Amino acid sequence: AQKITQTQPGMFVQEKEAVTLDCTYDTSDQSYGLFWYKQPSSGEMIFLIYQGSYDEQNATEGRYSLNFQKARKSANLVISASQLGDSAMYFCAMREGTTGTASKLTFGTGTRLQVTL
Amino acid sequence: DAGVIQSPRHEVTEMGQEVTLRCKPISGHDYLFWYRQTMMRGLELLIYFNNNVPIDDSGMPEDRFSAKMPNASFSTLKIQPSEPRDSAVYFCASSRRDRARREAFFGQGTRLTVV
Repeated sequence: AQKITQTQPGMFVQEKEAVTLDCTYDTSDQSYGLFWYKQPSSGEMIFLIYQGSYDEQNATEGRYSLNFQKARKSANLVISASQLGDSAMYFCAMREGTTGTASKLTFGTGTRLQVTL
Repeated sequence: DAGVIQSPRHEVTEMGQEVTLRCKPISGHDYLFWYRQTMMRGLELLIYFNNNVPIDDSGMPEDRFSAKMPNASFSTLKIQPSEPRDSAVYFCASSRRDRARREAFFGQGTRLTVV
């Protein structure tokens, strides 16, 4: 079974609008972390936002927020006021557990976001 | 502080040749990861180190791949002999255990083409 599922291969959004990128995850661990990364066309992987499984509030970082619904095992990324520079691939990732082996990230297949004028 | 530094950025080699990819993690980071990205398989974790010791190499595709971390500031990923199906972008990333979120910081990647 996929640990991280991103069901939207591609999304379009108009400039200045908000967009939600979906991510669901599968784990039996109680302690885990969820991440979103951005990969622009230049290829680098840029960390955007983090949500811990015990965090009671949804994470926010500037125009990025994470809609964390633990019971549904979803961790959707919301980008507000989209900009042309937001056009990129977006990856959801998970880190499971708390032991020493719990630092590796498992990534989803990504969603390509295109911001239009 | 400088980010994760990978070299070379691009590598084109002939099938059968040895390829060595290099990585310098962020100073003070105690985890180092090697990922491979392809269109077909997405981002795959190949191997990762903690304090220079390999912890999990279950993602290494076959014996042609090997990775070393001789010290805290340097790691290599070697492919010998290389094959066309090894063509991919190889990322190195590092993280710190003492940060609660332990986010991984990625290098720019090495785009490998085996012809």
